[in-house]
Formats: sequence, C-alpha cells, structure tokens
Amino acid sequence: GAVVSQHPSWVICKSGTSVKIECRSLDFQATTMFWYRQFPKQSLMLMATSNEGSKATYEQGVEKDKFLINHASLTLSTLTVTSAHPEDSSFYICSAPPPLAGGNEQYFGPGTRLTVT
Amino acid sequence: QKEVEQDPGPLSVPEGAIVSLNCTYSNSAFQYFMWYRQYSRKGPELLMYTYSSGNKEDGRFTAQVDKSSKYISLFIRDSQPSDSATYLCAMKGGSEKLVFGKGTKLTVNP
Repeated sequence: GAVVSQHPSWVICKSGTSVKIECRSLDFQATTMFWYRQFPKQSLMLMATSNEGSKATYEQGVEKDKFLINHASLTLSTLTVTSAHPEDSSFYICSAPPPLAGGNEQYFGPGTRLTVT
Repeated sequence: QKEVEQDPGPLSVPEGAIVSLNCTYSNSAFQYFMWYRQYSRKGPELLMYTYSSGNKEDGRFTAQVDKSSKYISLFIRDSQPSDSATYLCAMKGGSEKLVFGKGTKLTVNP
C-alpha cells in the first residue's frame, strides 16, 4: 500500500528556534499533501494543504508566517515551525492521497513529536 | 454544534467482545466516511472506507453508514488485545479535506 514517511519522528528544540519537518510519499507522487496537528487526547486538526509548485492553503487561525510549508517536489513537503514556542509542542502529522483513490482516501505519516523547551 | 461528534471514551471490553464505535455528524454534504486506527504516538492507519450509505465488511470489522440519521458505526467482532488503540472517524464531502472526530480510546483486556 501507499507509504508516507516523516522525518524526524521526534525533535526537541529551544524556544525561539526553528524546526523543519519533512513528509515524503515513498511509492507514489503526491501533488497535494496535508499537514495536521494533534494535541494530547484531541483529534487531528488540519493546519494547511500543501500544493506542489504553488502556495499552501492555510486553515483559519493558522499563522502562515509561523508555519512555513514548501512542496518543492511531487514526493516531498516540508513544514517549518519558525520561532517555536512551548505552545507549539504537539504531534505533527502529514498525509497524502494516493493517486488512484480519487482524493477520497489519505495515507498518513507516522507523525513527528515536537517538544519546545 | 461540531461537524463531527465522537465519544472519546475510554471504552474497556474483555477479549472476544463485540465493540461498537459511533460518530454523528451535522454536514449533509459528507459522502465519504472512514475509520482510522491510531496507536499511541503513531500516525492514523486507514481501516475502513465507505461511500454513502450502507455496510462494508472486512474480516472482523464492519462499517455502517446511515446518512438519513447522519450516523456512522464501526463494529469489531471477536475483539483482540491488539485492537487496543484510538479509533478515529473521519469524513469528507466534495473537497479533499477530512474532518475528524475526537477519537475513541479502546482497551481490550485479555
């Protein structure tokens, strides 16, 4: 089946620094990828839609200057958390729809746990 | 009212029990319904995918969708300790955006 990977799986950074998270589709090309955030005991909340070759679309309430998304190729999207603060500590998960699913299914990466100290 | 409501549980059952997990929703535009299983500190794994109303069965898992009641269910037969996880319902309409429930944490006790 379709595989989506994320790197790193776990990162700790100091407040004020920036962190980059990578999301890769390993055996298919993804023109669209999605970035979610999940706080403990909460559901996944869509942050933004990453579009290959164009600007990302951000959900209401998500600061696009703080969460920079780059979808430079058909297999890679990156999320950079700039000037991270402790309240940005969360589980960040990406997903991508496999090509033959008609956009109605999504496969998720294993997630990246970010801890900001 | 939230678009998708799901009882977070926790739900604890003995091994071999039939488990029933449910979600309700308010957006009548939703046509695609999914159930994901998420183990602790892992990404969600797609379990079942259903279009419109009806039932779908896959091994010990059965998904039901009742669009008239805006109610979806996931049944797990002969539950196993390895089924212990958080189960998330998700749904979408015409756009690619998935809307998730909060997830129900299930524990199957040996």
